[in-house]
Amino acid sequence: SQTIHQWPATLVQPVGSPLSLECTVEGTSNPNLYWYRQAAGRGLQLLFYSVGIGQISSEVPQNLSASRPQDRQFILSSKKLLLSDSGFYLCAWKAGATDTQYFGPGTRLTVL
Amino acid sequence: KQEVTQIPAALSVPEGENLVLNCSFTDSAIYNLQWFRQDPGKGLTSLLLIQSSQREQTSGRLNASLDKSSGRSTLYIAASQPGDSATYLCAVRPGQAGTALIFGKGTTLSVSS
Repeated sequence: SQTIHQWPATLVQPVGSPLSLECTVEGTSNPNLYWYRQAAGRGLQLLFYSVGIGQISSEVPQNLSASRPQDRQFILSSKKLLLSDSGFYLCAWKAGATDTQYFGPGTRLTVL
Repeated sequence: KQEVTQIPAALSVPEGENLVLNCSFTDSAIYNLQWFRQDPGKGLTSLLLIQSSQREQTSGRLNASLDKSSGRSTLYIAASQPGDSATYLCAVRPGQAGTALIFGKGTTLSVSS
């Protein structure tokens, strides 16, 4: 069966510090991968998605970036965090031929 | 630009009651619609997915309907239980070409025993 992991589960970082969140998927090959952010009082917002290694599409302009160094690994990064980057970050995957997206447990990021 | 709205934002019901959660979207040209459940501080769990050509999907006590022409979907929960307490999110996939989902802000359901 397929599983999706995210770490860390929680993170508190000062403004201006770098960020690296990791997501890995097990039990499937060549998944579509997604990064979403859920901020307080707002809906889930798609940040990045990837249909293959090295292929990243950005949905919104921001100081975040994403990379996919391996087939089942998706990384969200920032060089300098802003207060507005605080939120709940969710990684998701789906098999290319199917429609259902499956979500990871999330990372709660607080920028102080 | 596609927008997804969920009403009400919060709902409290006693155990055993049947209830309906509403989702509306502004552009009827969707590929599919998905309902998710989110427990506090957790990720999302997919409940039901309705393709644009379908009218409804059922899973246990859950039934989701889709009226694409009017831009509406409902999630019906029968005989609600305290374990159903969670936030329910509706999301649409705008088209076949893209795979991104556009989410509503959710309805937070509280079922009291």
